[in-house]
Amino acid sequence: GEDVEQSLFLSVREGDSSVINCTYTDSSSTYLYWYKQEPGAGLQLLTYIFSNMDMKQDQRLTVLLNKKDKHLSLRIADTQTGDSAIYFCAEILMDSSYKLIFGSGTRLLVRP
Amino acid sequence: DTEVTQTPKHLVMGMTNKKSLKCEQHMGHRAMYWYKQKAKKPPELMFVYSYEKLSINESVPSRFSPECPNSSLLNLHLHALQPEDSALYLCASSQEGPGRNEKLFFGSGTQLSVL
Repeated sequence: GEDVEQSLFLSVREGDSSVINCTYTDSSSTYLYWYKQEPGAGLQLLTYIFSNMDMKQDQRLTVLLNKKDKHLSLRIADTQTGDSAIYFCAEILMDSSYKLIFGSGTRLLVRP
Repeated sequence: DTEVTQTPKHLVMGMTNKKSLKCEQHMGHRAMYWYKQKAKKPPELMFVYSYEKLSINESVPSRFSPECPNSSLLNLHLHALQPEDSALYLCASSQEGPGRNEKLFFGSGTQLSVL
């Protein structure tokens, strides 16, 4: 089957912006999500975007959606050391199951 | 209360043991999920309960047996596991379940080691 793809690793300096990218598979997905996982913890929903939008801003987070290219990105402004974590994008498969499928995850390391 | 609580946090079991993982939420959510997560991998869906009925079973081996006693509780019964079943087992809940804006709330997981 197809995979939801993300780059494995991103390292940024504290105070810089981070951009995490995701290529998803189902062009008819209604909602797309970004989750954060800190070490030893479960996943935390950060934000989501409805498929009829191309941008959503939520405080330091900006989500961009390019439906034509099936590309989703998460920009974190003024990145802090507490943002160091693994970030997963996720899409809803629009077959009969409506399963939520997670991307491979991007490990973000924020250097002081 | 916006928490999903999982117990135990850590579990070590032998291949002949029987154990259970427990999950609880009091947010009034109608869907509950079990995911399996191996190290450095994304979570993989195992089971979904929607309105207390099993709605998705991702061809999980029968040595994993889910149970949903009521809308707040979800169990995962384990029997005759293999070492490759060692993983972080995550429980999640959502307000309505698959097919809608499926915002999942996750517990912290049970780290399972099978010896």
